[in-house]
Amino acid sequence: AQSVAQPEDQVNVAEGNPLTVKCTYSVSGNPYLFWYVQYPNRGLQFLLKYITGDNLVKGSYGFEAEFNKSQTSFHLKKPSALVSDSALYFCAVRVSQNAFSGGYNKLIFGAGTRLAVHP
Amino acid sequence: EAQVTQNPRYLITVTGKKLTVTCSQNMNHEYMSWYRQDPGLGLRQIYYSMNVEVTDKGDVPEGYKVSRKEKRNFPLILESPSPNQTSLYFCASSLRSTGTNEQYFGPGTRLTVT
Repeated sequence: AQSVAQPEDQVNVAEGNPLTVKCTYSVSGNPYLFWYVQYPNRGLQFLLKYITGDNLVKGSYGFEAEFNKSQTSFHLKKPSALVSDSALYFCAVRVSQNAFSGGYNKLIFGAGTRLAVHP
Repeated sequence: EAQVTQNPRYLITVTGKKLTVTCSQNMNHEYMSWYRQDPGLGLRQIYYSMNVEVTDKGDVPEGYKVSRKEKRNFPLILESPSPNQTSLYFCASSLRSTGTNEQYFGPGTRLTVT
């Protein structure tokens, strides 16, 4: 079955320290991978994506993610965390159906990881 | 301003009373989708639309209907709401249906069915 796993419900980090939010996936074919962030009482906002090319992807707000095909992972990272980074983070992977007709693609989301950055 | 809007933002209703949550985007996006967000489950897709008059079921379509009569609007209809449809609902859109484009999300609609 095609799926996305975020193994940590919550990650706690001190401000200024590096952070990592983990994501692993299981899909057939080449994965298209995304990270979204959700601040309180807001909709999700796009952070970054991996489609093809360089395994290290840079995105908004200083975030980056590393695609690792052998480990089927797409971990989100930031060198120095800010208190304002505290939010709910979702990893998502595209799954494709009706590929021969070029038909349909949808996103499967992980359950989310709450990032808490402490001063 | 490019955006996805949803109305209402909050709704409390009773079992069986039909309701519609509206969604509109002003970016001329092809693809639109509805998700529900429940604690510990992430976002699950309810219905999606690849273009006008083209809609299909997502992962949890039971109890919901949609229509896409024009490109900018994608309303979600609950014909007979039940308490298990209490959730946070998001509408989203993306430029194309290829899967390479990021999705833009609305602010959410918090629905409570008593």
